[in-house]
Amino acid sequence: GDSVTQMEGPVTLSEEAFLTINCTYTATGYPSLFWYVQYPGEGLQLLLKATKADDKGSNKGFEATYRKETTSFHLEKGSVQVSDSAVYFCALRGANSKLTFGKGITLSVRP
Amino acid sequence: GAGVSQSPRYKVAKRGQDVALRCDPISGHVSLFWYQQALGQGPEFLTYFQNEAQLDKSGLPSDRFFAERPEGSVSTLKIQRTQQEDSAVYLCASSSTRVGREQYFGPGTRLTVT
Repeated sequence: GDSVTQMEGPVTLSEEAFLTINCTYTATGYPSLFWYVQYPGEGLQLLLKATKADDKGSNKGFEATYRKETTSFHLEKGSVQVSDSAVYFCALRGANSKLTFGKGITLSVRP
Repeated sequence: GAGVSQSPRYKVAKRGQDVALRCDPISGHVSLFWYQQALGQGPEFLTYFQNEAQLDKSGLPSDRFFAERPEGSVSTLKIQRTQQEDSAVYLCASSSTRVGREQYFGPGTRLTVT
């Protein structure tokens, strides 16, 4: 079945540091890939998405590229801010419409 | 409201009690999903509706879990004879039929079974 693997956390960075959060997936067919974010006390929000190979999703300075050859969708940001502190989930949507999530990773950014 | 709403936000149940969790999707959204999120884990799929039809219930963990959406709008997730392992956050999401079909999530209901 479909699965998503995220790197282990938590991650703590200083403000303006470079961020990479790794995500790899296993799926049949051609899934769409997503990053969701959960800020403290808030619900899950879509951060960015990519629907086919080599697509790059981007939002709020975050980027991720759909790499079919490595089955990856790593999240990157060039300069993190304190306000980026949250839990980040990688997810895929297969042909059956449901989302399959990774375990999530907590990011803390120090001033 | 503009978003997905869920009620109650918090529910404490004694083991063996029945609970009902409500989801109001975004108006006009055809698809509705339920997910279960255990502490420290990612959400896991429970069930999916398109209008009033339950198209996939493969994620429901046992026959104590039941979901309905009788008029194709509001949905209720019912858990009978709750057990401690049912303690989790239950998330509802809805999506339209437009291209992209993004799922918009509600704030969740935190269920604690004592």
